[in-house]
Amino acid sequence: AQKITQTQPGMFVQEKEAVTLDCTYDTSDQSYGLFWYKQPSSGEMIFLIYQGSYDEQNATEGRYSLNFQKARKSANLVISASQLGDSAMYFCAMREPTTSGTYKYIFGTGTRLKVLA
Amino acid sequence: ETGVTQTPRHLVMGMTNKKSLKCEQHLGHNAMYWYKQSAKKPLELMFVYNFKEQTENNSVPSRFSPECPNSSHLFLHLHTLQPEDSALYLCASSQAEDGNSPLHFGNGTRLTVT
Repeated sequence: AQKITQTQPGMFVQEKEAVTLDCTYDTSDQSYGLFWYKQPSSGEMIFLIYQGSYDEQNATEGRYSLNFQKARKSANLVISASQLGDSAMYFCAMREPTTSGTYKYIFGTGTRLKVLA
Repeated sequence: ETGVTQTPRHLVMGMTNKKSLKCEQHLGHNAMYWYKQSAKKPLELMFVYNFKEQTENNSVPSRFSPECPNSSHLFLHLHTLQPEDSALYLCASSQAEDGNSPLHFGNGTRLTVT
């Protein structure tokens, strides 16, 4: 069974500095996808970045980058130049195939990030 | 119109009430999902619909009854709930056959069972 592990329940970072949020996963599938989401206190889940298992380059989206180490089964999120608005919960997720030929997405327990002024 | 819309945003109901949560997506997706988010627990997948057909039921109690009349609409009918069912219920959609497609979430319904 697949599993997503986020070992950091909470993190602090100084404004304008970079921060890395850890995510490890467990799967026996060769084809899979990894996603990061941000959930502010208002509750909505915001998609940030995606990495496919066959992608050779690390994904980047603006200030977000994904440090993908396939052999170690890790997909850490790096946020550069942190802003106060980055304070939120961050979830790592993995897509897994279903028996019906579609996909479902499983989530980690999340990391609460607090950006300090 | 935002991509995925959920109503109501907040709901308080007694254990004997019957209510429904509604979700609508305007993204042209063909898969829709219900997730439950409780405090200090990972998001729990409840149901998956693909082209209006239910493809996943993650051992959800029968007091939760989903309905998907078309690819754009998803309901969650609630009856005789328990206080432990209080949570944030999130609806999401994706393009079913595209493994690169992320989930797009609604803002959720905050449910309180008294």
